[in-house]
Amino acid sequence: GDSVTQMEGPVTLSEEAFLTINCTYTATGYPSLFWYVQYPGEGLQLLLKATKADDKGSNKGFEATYRKETTSFHLEKGSVQVSDSAVYFCAQQPSGAGSYQLTFGKGTKLSVIP
Amino acid sequence: GAGVSQSPSNKVTEKGKDVELRCDPISGHTALYWYRQSLGQGLEFLIYFQGNSAPDKSGLPSDRFSAERTGGSVSTLTIQRTQQEDSAVYLCASSQRRDSTYEQYFGPGTRLTVT
Repeated sequence: GDSVTQMEGPVTLSEEAFLTINCTYTATGYPSLFWYVQYPGEGLQLLLKATKADDKGSNKGFEATYRKETTSFHLEKGSVQVSDSAVYFCAQQPSGAGSYQLTFGKGTKLSVIP
Repeated sequence: GAGVSQSPSNKVTEKGKDVELRCDPISGHTALYWYRQSLGQGLEFLIYFQGNSAPDKSGLPSDRFSAERTGGSVSTLTIQRTQQEDSAVYLCASSQRRDSTYEQYFGPGTRLTVT
C-alpha cells in the first residue's frame, strides 16, 4: 500500500545552518505531496505542498521539489531559526476519485539552538 | 475565521469506560476526517465523512470505535470499553472538499489517556 518514509530524528542544528529532511514515498499513482509542521503545543499546520512532478512547494523559506524519478519530496531550508523548532511530517494523498486520506511519515523532530 | 475546534483537550479515563470526543469543523467545510497520533504508530487515518454520503470507516482499528456526523457539521468519535492501547492524540481535520486541491485544516487534538 501507499507509504511515506522520512528520516528519523531528532535533528539538532545551530541557528543559520542548512536543513534537509529526507522524504520518500511509495504509491500506485501520482499522489499529491505535503509537508506539515507541528509546533510545540500546537496543531498540525500545512507548510507546503506539490501536486505534480517537478512542482516546487515553498513557504516561510522552506522548499521541497516533487521528484517522480526518485519518488522523493525532501524538505530544505537554507538558514534555520530557533522558531523553526518543531516536528515535521511528510505526507501523501492519492489523486483522483475517492482520494482523500492522508498517509503520513513518522515525523522528524527538529531542534534549533542559538 | 474560527478554525477546527476539538473538545475536550485532555481526557483521562479508566480502562473499560466509554469516551466521546467532539470535533467542530470549519463552517462550510463538507469533508471531515479523524486521525490518531500515537508514539508507536505515528499519524493514522481513522474515518472520513463527506456531506451526506456514507462515511469511509476503513481506518477504524476495531469495532469499539465509531463516529457520527450530525447535520453535516459536528462530529463525535466514540470509543467503547477503552483499552490502554487507545491512549493517543485524536486529531480532527476538515476541508472544503475531499480531493488534494483542498487543504485539510487540523484541530488541536484531544489527548486521551487510558489508565
